[in-house]
Amino acid sequence: EPEVTQTPSHQVTQMGQEVILRCVPISNHLYFYWYRQILGQKVEFLVSFYNNEISEKSEIFDDQFSVERPDGSNFTLKIRSTKLEDSAMYFCASRDYADTQYFGPGTRLTVL
Amino acid sequence: LAKTTQPISMDSYEGQEVNITCSHNNIATNDYITWYQQFPSQGPRFIIQGYKTKVTNEVASLFIPADRKSSTLSLPRVSLSDTAVYYCLVYRSNDYKLSFGAGTTVTVRA
Repeated sequence: EPEVTQTPSHQVTQMGQEVILRCVPISNHLYFYWYRQILGQKVEFLVSFYNNEISEKSEIFDDQFSVERPDGSNFTLKIRSTKLEDSAMYFCASRDYADTQYFGPGTRLTVL
Repeated sequence: LAKTTQPISMDSYEGQEVNITCSHNNIATNDYITWYQQFPSQGPRFIIQGYKTKVTNEVASLFIPADRKSSTLSLPRVSLSDTAVYYCLVYRSNDYKLSFGAGTTVTVRA
């Protein structure tokens, strides 16, 4: 069964460093998403992406965040200058024609 | 979007049926209901979605009454591995995001 994959599974970085989280959505999906979940808290929407542009973004998704689909398969989330409060699980999701979103296993980002 | 309300936690035993009811009083005509399961440190996993009446798949059933103001996820014969958080979400077709609440923590005991 096709699934969303994410790399790395765990990323440790120093505050102020840039990180890029990578996702490979399910191949025939056209809508892509990033969510995050701080430990012990709710899953929060960050951004949605369709047709090579952002469709919607939340208040969390400020100028420090960017998304890109550099080729036909990868979908990336970049955080330019990480803060301690960016430590969280980051989930990528992709959506099929039936409006169902399928989530990846997540990347645990730890900012020291 | 309609706000959802579901119990914070439920306990069950292996082999029992678990029913989680979610209320969404302000659901709109264009809204759908979807349920996800999440294990610790893993991504939410899609379980089932529906618009009205009953939907069944290989893992669960979803019951939606005619007024659509609530829905019930039914998990037949649960096992220890069904211990997880279950989220009820309402979404609008072609809306771009899912809004997660706190979910229901289901604990299955031997």
